[in-house]
Amino acid sequence: AQKVTQAQTEISVVEKEDVTLDCVYETRDTTYYLFWYKQPPSGELVFLIRRNSFDEQNEISGRYSWNFQKSTSSFNFTITASQVVDSAVYFCARLTGANNLFFGTGTRLTVIP
Amino acid sequence: DTAVSQTPKYLVTQMGNDKSIKCEQNLGHDTMYWYKQDSKKFLKIMFSYNNKELIINETVPNRFSPKSPDKAHLNLHINSLELGDSAVYFCASSQDLLQPQHFGDGTRLSIL
Repeated sequence: AQKVTQAQTEISVVEKEDVTLDCVYETRDTTYYLFWYKQPPSGELVFLIRRNSFDEQNEISGRYSWNFQKSTSSFNFTITASQVVDSAVYFCARLTGANNLFFGTGTRLTVIP
Repeated sequence: DTAVSQTPKYLVTQMGNDKSIKCEQNLGHDTMYWYKQDSKKFLKIMFSYNNKELIINETVPNRFSPKSPDKAHLNLHINSLELGDSAVYFCASSQDLLQPQHFGDGTRLSIL
């Protein structure tokens, strides 16, 4: 199975709250890559991060941080001090052995001012 | 400068027609892709080309035919359009199959 599960379909938070978007993946591969993409209301897809399976260090980029845990097959994304501009659909994706980028179903985040 | 550009942005047409969507990337990437995003926002790969050669062809009706005249272009031609083809189609490119993909702005196809 190549499933990427984003169990949270929709999340609403009030501005300045922290929010974590969950991503759980399935794989039989030892080498793989995980991604997060953002799709704002304007519709374009914006690359946020790529992580390979050998690098379990957490990453921080400004208000964004990612927590990769191979033991639980999770690659969660946290936005600190959320802003209205963070409102978007966020996709977690995994590069499969066949080099397909397989997307989760997305989490729609709404940040309320 | 738009990195991955696709035209048209909107395409409204009738069932049974044939239409094309063009995609060009100016990033010097070797690999290009087409994705379909349905009304529920689910994104699924359709095709992948590496150096103008077809690498991935998911279960897509043969009414869909990609054409890559050169590394910078991957066009999508669709014959005999059906209602179920209504979706947003995204073109993307990457340096190679393992690198992050850069997406175009999408083409919203509506079949009447």
